Amino acid sequence: DQQVKQNSPSLSVQEGRISILNCDYTNSMFDYFLWYKKYPAEGPTFLISISSIKDKNEDGRFTVFLNKSAKHLSLHIVPSQPGDSAVYFCAASEGADDKIIFGKGTRLHILP
Amino acid sequence: DTGVSQNPRHKITKRGQNVTFRCDPISEHNRLYWYRQTLGQGPEFLTYFQNEAQLEKSRLLSDRFSAERPKGSFSTLEIQRTEQGDSAMYLCASSPKGQRNTEAFFGQGTRLTVV
Repeated sequence: DQQVKQNSPSLSVQEGRISILNCDYTNSMFDYFLWYKKYPAEGPTFLISISSIKDKNEDGRFTVFLNKSAKHLSLHIVPSQPGDSAVYFCAASEGADDKIIFGKGTRLHILP
Repeated sequence: DTGVSQNPRHKITKRGQNVTFRCDPISEHNRLYWYRQTLGQGPEFLTYFQNEAQLEKSRLLSDRFSAERPKGSFSTLEIQRTEQGDSAMYLCASSPKGQRNTEAFFGQGTRLTVV
């Protein structure tokens, strides 16, 4: 049972435009959400996070939005750059458990 | 500190053999996680430690799998009687002491191929 769902396996975006990656979750006890980026043959690297007490967190070109009522979050990358081409994982954790549950990932292609 | 270190990076083994992987977390990180990732999937949680105590094991972790973290420092993941279905990337991650709601830092993984 997938508690964190990324329904788009891949996404192609023109360089310079906005990339929007979406994520849905089913567990209402999740209170911390993260995005990780992964290049081939490397481990995932942390990108940005958001606590459930917020609805937006911004870090440079990356912004994460959280809609708790819809159990939905999204990652916006603007402007998109060639180095952003990677697999992006949405992840979440529940309370003091801190076990992080990952989605299946979305492969982002930035087109020249 | 050079981050989370995993050894070996690659392992090819024959079906039925035992394999052991090692993970050295970032210093002072009291949480250590093991995940498994197969093609087209996200990292799947296997188990995690708080210092030397193993707090939770996923149902994915069959009795052929065992993980240890002696003295709360490095950790090992052993797979006995390997099967072809065990072929995957095994990822280790650690997170800082006493800080809830913080990201986990991943190593580069050990890719296991069972032939």
